[in-house]
Amino acid sequence: KAGVTQTPRYLIKTRGQQVTLSCSPISGHRSVSWYQQTPGQGLQFLFEYFSETQRNKGNFPGRFSGRQFSNSRSEMNVSTLELGDSALYLCATSPSGHGARFTEAFFGQGTRLTVV
Amino acid sequence: GEDVEQSLFLSVREGDSSVINCTYTDSSSTYLYWYKQEPGAGLQLLTYIFSNMDMKQDQRLTVLLNKKDKHLSLRIADTQTGDSAIYFCAESSGSARQLTFGSGTQLTVLP
Repeated sequence: KAGVTQTPRYLIKTRGQQVTLSCSPISGHRSVSWYQQTPGQGLQFLFEYFSETQRNKGNFPGRFSGRQFSNSRSEMNVSTLELGDSALYLCATSPSGHGARFTEAFFGQGTRLTVV
Repeated sequence: GEDVEQSLFLSVREGDSSVINCTYTDSSSTYLYWYKQEPGAGLQLLTYIFSNMDMKQDQRLTVLLNKKDKHLSLRIADTQTGDSAIYFCAESSGSARQLTFGSGTQLTVLP
């Protein structure tokens, strides 16, 4: 069974640009969550999607957005990039979703974003 | 809000047992997790425990939960050099599809 796939693995962008990251869940997993990992703030929850709808959102500015497609694949977008957006972005997928018991979350390898 | 705390570093000798500790504040935590992160990699789910359990054992891993003190520990028996990594404790309040993570404990296994 294939794991969670995140693309691309590495990105270098310039301040002010925008970026789109992709996450393909494990087959059958319908919930996708996104996290930002930085040395200073650690792992922070961005948002979670289930059935193409955002169900939960963390404390991030509106420049961070996401969406989920009918095949459960998800993308996150960061507009007007800032130096502080440099981080490892991780997605996690779960076989459970909204209204169901949340048990396990499986993470992808992450996308390393560097903003210069 | 929720808070999860861990000590930052732990060093052990190869073959010894490692014990990584974690405390959390959210009384409504339903599941508590341990993840492992190796350099340049994502998070690997090691094990998790439901809040109505006291202990869970899975091969070399033993998780102990003291719900009264909101204290969670992960014991790794016969620690190997391949166990060197950062270990994260995380909690979920069940109804929220999100995990709150601790800052991670860097485990170094010395030969």
